[in-house]
Amino acid sequence: AQSVSQHNHHVILSEAASLELGCNYSYGGTVNLFWYVQYPGQHLQLLLKYFSGDPLVKGIKGFEAEFIKSKFSFNLRKPSVQWSDTAEYFCAAAENTGNQFYFGTGTSLTVIP
Amino acid sequence: DGGITQSPKYLFRKEGQNVTLSCEQNLNHDAMYWYRQDPGQGLRLIYYSQIVNDFQKGDIAEGYSVSREKKESFPLTVTSAQKNPTAFYLCASGLTSGPDTQYFGPGTRLTVL
Repeated sequence: AQSVSQHNHHVILSEAASLELGCNYSYGGTVNLFWYVQYPGQHLQLLLKYFSGDPLVKGIKGFEAEFIKSKFSFNLRKPSVQWSDTAEYFCAAAENTGNQFYFGTGTSLTVIP
Repeated sequence: DGGITQSPKYLFRKEGQNVTLSCEQNLNHDAMYWYRQDPGQGLRLIYYSQIVNDFQKGDIAEGYSVSREKKESFPLTVTSAQKNPTAFYLCASGLTSGPDTQYFGPGTRLTVL
């Protein structure tokens, strides 16, 4: 079965610092990739997604992610974080021809003002 | 106001009792999903349904049952056979059954005493 790994479990940053959260997936075929965010007390919501085309995808709130096929990676980045970015971030992958999503274990980000 | 509703937000049950969690969506989505979220384990798929009167087991279906009698409703029953039912349960829906964006409800936290 496919799996998704997020190696950073807890990240603490000061405001204006740059962010990169790692995500690796195990499936060798074509995959659709997603980053979801769960702000405190809110629903899980989509940050960005990659299906095909330009491997650098931009999402909401200044986030972007880069798909690197050779590394099976889809890392999330933001040049300058804000206190409001404090949340839990989940990477997810779904086989292009499948129906199931596979989520990583999540990364808890705390931004200190 | 479109979206996914889950009720109740918090649920307490005694060990050995079955309990049903509600999930309703008014997004006219074909696909619906149930996930379990445990600390440090991310989201794990319990069941999913691509169409009314049809559903498929996910990775951790043992001890759970579902029904899909209406497009907008996908209730999950946690049976007494589920060995560790205390968890946070998330319902999601998707426009199609393929690997595209899923939209999540607010979740139900079930505690079995």
